[in-house]
Amino acid sequence: ELKVEQNPLFLSMQEGKNYTIYCNYSTTSDRLYWYRQDPGKSLESLFVLLSNGAVKQEGRLMASLDTKARLSTLHITAAVHDLSATYFCAVFLQGGSEKLVFGKGTKLTVNP
Amino acid sequence: EAQVTQNPRYLITVTGKKLTVTCSQNMNHEYMSWYRQDPGLGLRQIYYSMNVEVTDKGDVPEGYKVSRKEKRNFPLILESPSPNQTSLYFCASSKSYGNTEAFFGQGTRLTVV
Repeated sequence: ELKVEQNPLFLSMQEGKNYTIYCNYSTTSDRLYWYRQDPGKSLESLFVLLSNGAVKQEGRLMASLDTKARLSTLHITAAVHDLSATYFCAVFLQGGSEKLVFGKGTKLTVNP
Repeated sequence: EAQVTQNPRYLITVTGKKLTVTCSQNMNHEYMSWYRQDPGLGLRQIYYSMNVEVTDKGDVPEGYKVSRKEKRNFPLILESPSPNQTSLYFCASSKSYGNTEAFFGQGTRLTVV
């Protein structure tokens, strides 16, 4: 059974600071996604990582994937208040059962 | 505009009264799925469909049914809703399974009393 663990689950940080959210998963997969959810809203796709070593950047967010370590990171650079949201990683379970398994999410609050 | 549309957005119903939540996408996507989101549990997949007439169970399928008679529609059916099905439901679609991002609907907040 594929388990996806995010750390931390809650993150409060000041504007201008850097931080990293971690996503560990328990079985082999080379397909990992990051989503953002604002309160009361739907999920918005941020990054699609499809191979070992994949790195993608958009603005102040950068995501990477290490399939050997079964680890993805979402790095936040010089946080701003607009980044306050809940961030989910999701891993695609392949081979017979094509399921997408989500982590529990990291609620990020960026304080002025 | 490319989108996934769910209806209704909000629904309060009573235990045992059958209901259907509709989901439609206009992107000609093959893969569609349903999730429920509960506090502290994140999103859990209920059912998914890889194409027309092909559906399979996700992690929490008990109490739910789905059908995929047309590519664009993937309704979620609760034959006899119970209070433990009170949740926020999301429908999602993607071009193919696994290789592309999923697009999510706006969500349906269901309360079963």
